[in-house]
Amino acid sequence: EIVLTQSPGTLSLSPGERATLSCRASQSVSSSYLAWYQQKPGQAPRLLIYAASSRATGIPDRFSGSGSGTDFTLTISRLEPEDFAVYYCQQYGSSPRTFGQGTKVEIK
Amino acid sequence: EVQLVESGGGLVQPGESLRLSCAASGFTFSSYAMSWVRQAPGKGLEWVSALSGSYGRTYYADSVKGRFTISRDNSKSTLYLHMNSLRAEDTAVYYCAKEGPDYYDSSGYYGGFDYWGQGTLVTVSS
Repeated sequence: EIVLTQSPGTLSLSPGERATLSCRASQSVSSSYLAWYQQKPGQAPRLLIYAASSRATGIPDRFSGSGSGTDFTLTISRLEPEDFAVYYCQQYGSSPRTFGQGTKVEIK
Repeated sequence: EVQLVESGGGLVQPGESLRLSCAASGFTFSSYAMSWVRQAPGKGLEWVSALSGSYGRTYYADSVKGRFTISRDNSKSTLYLHMNSLRAEDTAVYYCAKEGPDYYDSSGYYGGFDYWGQGTLVTVSS
């Protein structure tokens, strides 16, 4: 099983700042099949990034993903008020598919 | 418009069974793998099970293997999760999710989870 470790656990930032979230895998993720999701309280998760760096439909270009192998990054270039939420990475290249434990981006 | 609507959640006692359903619309259901993901109160996301679009390829998390069974009826565009021998630690909101078209084999498309239902709450308690 591939274990995904996200860091930091909480990121305290102000609107307009840049957010950098990390996801490290315990072994190489097949074909960079790694996704990022955003979840707000009381809502289902929303797909932001798939295949490590491809933005999902309707996702603003301030969200970007990068990385390969075991190290992946989600960057939010300038935080908007609606971006404060919990973010999860997930690998789907092998079974069991696994999620990271999440990073909470909170308003400073 | 893609829609996923879960149903079947509720309060059950430990050891009992429950069947969740996920009615899908707005896409060619039989072409895509589908997954169940759960979230315990105040916790993160946990992938539970996946099923290919065709040929019945199933995948399970170790935590539910042998107790849960995923199935689908492509003629009804509906995904199911049969849960047996329920435990308190199975208490969670259960989401169904459609997998995206990141890669393809003879059993259909697999990928990141591009659409999610609203979730259905399962509570296991005496």
